[in-house]
Amino acid sequence: DADVTQTPRNRITKTGKRIMLECSQTKGHDRMYWYRQDPGLGLRLIYYSFDVKDINKGEISDGYSVSRQAQAKFSLSLESAIPNQTALYFCATSDNGPRPQHFGDGTRLSIL
Amino acid sequence: DQQVKQNSPSLSVQEGRISILNCDYTNSMFDYFLWYKKYPAEGPTFLISISSIKDKNEDGRFTVFLNKSAKHLSLHIVPSQPGDSAVYFCAAGDNAGNMLTFGGGTRLMVKP
Repeated sequence: DADVTQTPRNRITKTGKRIMLECSQTKGHDRMYWYRQDPGLGLRLIYYSFDVKDINKGEISDGYSVSRQAQAKFSLSLESAIPNQTALYFCATSDNGPRPQHFGDGTRLSIL
Repeated sequence: DQQVKQNSPSLSVQEGRISILNCDYTNSMFDYFLWYKKYPAEGPTFLISISSIKDKNEDGRFTVFLNKSAKHLSLHIVPSQPGDSAVYFCAAGDNAGNMLTFGGGTRLMVKP
């Protein structure tokens, strides 16, 4: 089983709909992150959480919200989806300190 | 303004030869650097890292070089294999272990 699991893997939806992307991990890491990937732009940070009671905005948080339900679960919501939120979304986890982040396999989200 | 840049969107190399992927950064506060490899339909996978107290780190066929004065790092793959064909991202962060900033990626194609 994957250490970092994202659901769904693919989602097509319409403008204005509310969408939730979920992430769970079995690595026991305190830190969790949400990124989006757009062609040529690499991965850009949306939100991050260093523990269950800590939520921080990243570089591109507008239009998104998150919830850290437990150490192992971190979900990303789009309250009212718009077409320019079409992208590949990745969840990642890491230990405290300067450590590599470990990524899930992503959610491909298309908003029509 | 992108703080981490990979100026070559793609690179093609013959099997058995050296692959050199480059990355430049602008933020002098960065002191922890990583390379990730990404296959289609999978999440980025951590490859190798380097702290700013070093100028070289090796792991098998992969070597990362850091030139702090030039704010430049590179990844050398020797010898290159067809299975190395993937998108490579460089990332930079600080040694407090806070957020990573990613480059836009370089697609490496290793031809048999």
